[in-house]
Amino acid sequence: GAVVSQHPSWVICKSGTSVKIECRSLDFQATTMFWYRQFPKQSLMLMATSNEGSKATYEQGVEKDKFLINHASLTLSTLTVTSAHPEDSSFYICSASGLAYEQYFGPGTRLTVT
Amino acid sequence: GENVEQHPSTLSVQEGDSAVIKCTYSDSASNYFPWYKQELGKRPQLIIDIRSNVGEKKDQRIAVTLNKTAKHFSLHITETQPEDSAVYFCAAGGIQGAQKLVFGQGTRLTINP
Repeated sequence: GAVVSQHPSWVICKSGTSVKIECRSLDFQATTMFWYRQFPKQSLMLMATSNEGSKATYEQGVEKDKFLINHASLTLSTLTVTSAHPEDSSFYICSASGLAYEQYFGPGTRLTVT
Repeated sequence: GENVEQHPSTLSVQEGDSAVIKCTYSDSASNYFPWYKQELGKRPQLIIDIRSNVGEKKDQRIAVTLNKTAKHFSLHITETQPEDSAVYFCAAGGIQGAQKLVFGQGTRLTINP
């Protein structure tokens, strides 16, 4: 099946710093990638949808200037959490979709902001 | 927009018994309904999905049923095993290209030996 990787798997940063998370599709070309946030014992909340070469579409309530998304190639999308604060601590998961409609998830990145 | 409701939030069954999780959706335009299994701290894994032109789909011990008129779909797990213990999420979306999925709240399934 399709393989999606994410890096790093976990990161601890200080309040006010920025963190970049990478999402890669390893064996297929991802025309669309999705970024989710998942708080403990909660569901996956879609943050944004990104298509290769175009600007990301953010869900209502998600600050696009705080969560910068770049989808520069068909195999790589990045999420940068700028000026991170403790309330941004969460599990961030990406998913990738090719020509079909199935979404394949990355392993997630656990962000802790101190 | 789409809204997906999932019940129950927790489910405990004896090993070997069946488990059923139900979801309802609001947008009649949704035509793709996947189910994901997520173990603690890991990625959601697609276990089965169904498209709106099909009423039922089965894969070994797992089956999904869809009632488009009533806008609800269900996951059925038979002969449950301890390794089935996890959180299960339903979702609804479209099949025209890569469309976003709206997830249910999740069901924590515990299989008691």
